[in-house]
Amino acid sequence: DSGVTQTPKHLITATGQRVTLRCSPRSGDLSVYWYQQSLDQGLQFLIHYYNGEERAKGNILERFSAQQFPDLHSELNLSSLELGDSALYFCASSVRTSGGGETQYFGPGTRLLVL
Amino acid sequence: GESVGLHLPTLSVQEGDNSIINCAYSNSASDYFIWYKQESGKGPQFIIDIRSNMDKRQGQRVTVLLNKTVKHLSLQIAATQPGDSAVYFCAEISGNTPLVFGKGTRLSVIA
Repeated sequence: DSGVTQTPKHLITATGQRVTLRCSPRSGDLSVYWYQQSLDQGLQFLIHYYNGEERAKGNILERFSAQQFPDLHSELNLSSLELGDSALYFCASSVRTSGGGETQYFGPGTRLLVL
Repeated sequence: GESVGLHLPTLSVQEGDNSIINCAYSNSASDYFIWYKQESGKGPQFIIDIRSNMDKRQGQRVTVLLNKTVKHLSLQIAATQPGDSAVYFCAEISGNTPLVFGKGTRLSVIA
């Protein structure tokens, strides 16, 4: 158990719909990262928040948005869903490692299926 | 653009043997590198990391080697066990940029 929680675990919806994925980072961690993992792609970084502020954007579509709330939980909003949005969505919070760097602890993911 | 990649998409190893998973990177400015393990249906799990000023680091049954000359990273798993079966990702980070992950290598342990 990484300490990062994500809900829901599974989500099935139709094209054109909008969904919200939720993530709570490890206790004390201020960062939240969102990733998308599809069958034909590796982990694709979407967006990073730190203490409520957006820090970096990756390959995030304009139909997608995210925010981090004062209690540090984060939500990823996916709208006008397309079939190709079907994927695993992970969030992670970061921590210093014994090697002196910073790594990320991942939640269990939300599996999104767009029909 | 910069990329991180893996030499072998799949690797089958006999239980008890050592495993070596390789990774090539292209960003010479990367500060450190991380190996993750992802089991089926789970999120990636941190295994070990190494800073760019090191060439070797050991953990429990795992060793990461970094060859900056050829921009190559490897993960060695000693006495591979069935529980080691998973997809292994290398990732790199430079400054404040997010992690860049390779596509992954699937390790299959044969009992």
